[in-house]
Amino acid sequence: EIVMTQSPATLSVSPGERATLSCRATQSVSSKLAWYQQKPGQAPRLLIYDASTRAAGIPARFSGSGSGTEFTLTISSLQSEDFAVYYCQQYNNWPPVTFGQGTKLEIK
Amino acid sequence: EVQLVESGGGVVQPGGSLRLSCAASGFTFDDYAMHWVRQVPGKGLEWVSLISGDGGSTYYVDSVKGRFTISRDNSKNSLYLQMNSLRTEDTALYYCAKDTVGYTYASEFDYWGQGTLVTVSS
Repeated sequence: EIVMTQSPATLSVSPGERATLSCRATQSVSSKLAWYQQKPGQAPRLLIYDASTRAAGIPARFSGSGSGTEFTLTISSLQSEDFAVYYCQQYNNWPPVTFGQGTKLEIK
Repeated sequence: EVQLVESGGGVVQPGGSLRLSCAASGFTFDDYAMHWVRQVPGKGLEWVSLISGDGGSTYYVDSVKGRFTISRDNSKNSLYLQMNSLRTEDTALYYCAKDTVGYTYASEFDYWGQGTLVTVSS
């Protein structure tokens, strides 16, 4: 099973600043990596797939990069609605599909 | 508009059973694999199961193998999860999710329901 590890667990950033979230896999997942955003009381929302492709309707301030075992989600200029929990997910080696434990992005 | 609506959650004793349902609309249901994903309140996401578009292939996380059965009825645009021999550690919010492109395989999940809560407690 591929284990996904996200860092940091909590990230405190001021609105308007850049946020950088990391995700690491225990073995290569190629580019089969997605990012999701989850707000309290809501289902996860797909942001990025195939490591760097934005999903439909996702603002350009969200970008993804990486391949193999190291991935990054960058939010270029944080808006108030971006404060949430973010999860990475690999779908290269499955079953099982695996998620990271999440990074909580909070207002500084 | 794609909609996924789960139902069937509730409180059950350890060793008991529940059947979850997910009603899908707004897309050609049998063109896509479907998933169940669960989340303990306040914790992370855990993939549970996948079923291919035609229902002929199913996959499970090890912790539910032999206890849970995923199925679908394409004539009713519905997905199911039969959960038997439930354990306290199965307590979670259960989401159904649509695979973006996969028919017999997993990719990312582009639509999720709002979830149905399963509580296993004596």
